[in-house]
Amino acid sequence: GQNIDQPTEMTATEGAIVQINCTYQTSGFNGLFWYQQHAGEAPTFLSYNVLDGLEEKGRFSSFLSRSKGYSYLLLKELQMKDSASYLCAAPNTGGFKTIFGAGTRLFVKA
Amino acid sequence: GAGVSQSPSNKVTEKGKDVELRCDPISGHTALYWYRQSLGQGLEFLIYFQGNSAPDKSGLPSDRFSAERTGGSVSTLTIQRTQQEDSAVYLCASKGTSGSADTQYFGPGTRLTVL
Repeated sequence: GQNIDQPTEMTATEGAIVQINCTYQTSGFNGLFWYQQHAGEAPTFLSYNVLDGLEEKGRFSSFLSRSKGYSYLLLKELQMKDSASYLCAAPNTGGFKTIFGAGTRLFVKA
Repeated sequence: GAGVSQSPSNKVTEKGKDVELRCDPISGHTALYWYRQSLGQGLEFLIYFQGNSAPDKSGLPSDRFSAERTGGSVSTLTIQRTQQEDSAVYLCASKGTSGSADTQYFGPGTRLTVL
């Protein structure tokens, strides 16, 4: 079967660093996505990892370990506007259907 | 268009009525998805269209749900005899190709409330 697990909620302080973890079990592997979703808005693309390692993109970085079925999203220099849900997602075998985790709701406090 | 659009943005209906939700994908995108998102929950896959291939309907929760995509562009999701548990945000997304590396671009969603 396919399953994606991520924490339900996290709280962090403005200016700090936060790491949001995701573990996945998929039939085959076709990469892993992270999306950001602000309340009442549609998800927007953050990152896509298909190879092991860390990919950095400004304040956001995403890490993947295929052997461990594990990924994390790292947010640095947190800003209030980073308060949102972060969705981990993995395409199934064939890449057609994407399985989404329930999302991690991040609260950034002053 | 510049992005994925959906209409209506909000729909309130009475239990037992039929509703139609519309999605206009990004021009030229061959793949189109429908998802349902209940309050505070993740995205639940409903249906997937890719070009002229038969759609993947494996996520539709019951036979009250159906969707079509006309001319490989606009899609309509129809819910018949709506129930209160159908209340959710219905999101549409499109993708340029069937490749797994391509991201999906989401529309703003239709918030459906069944009274």
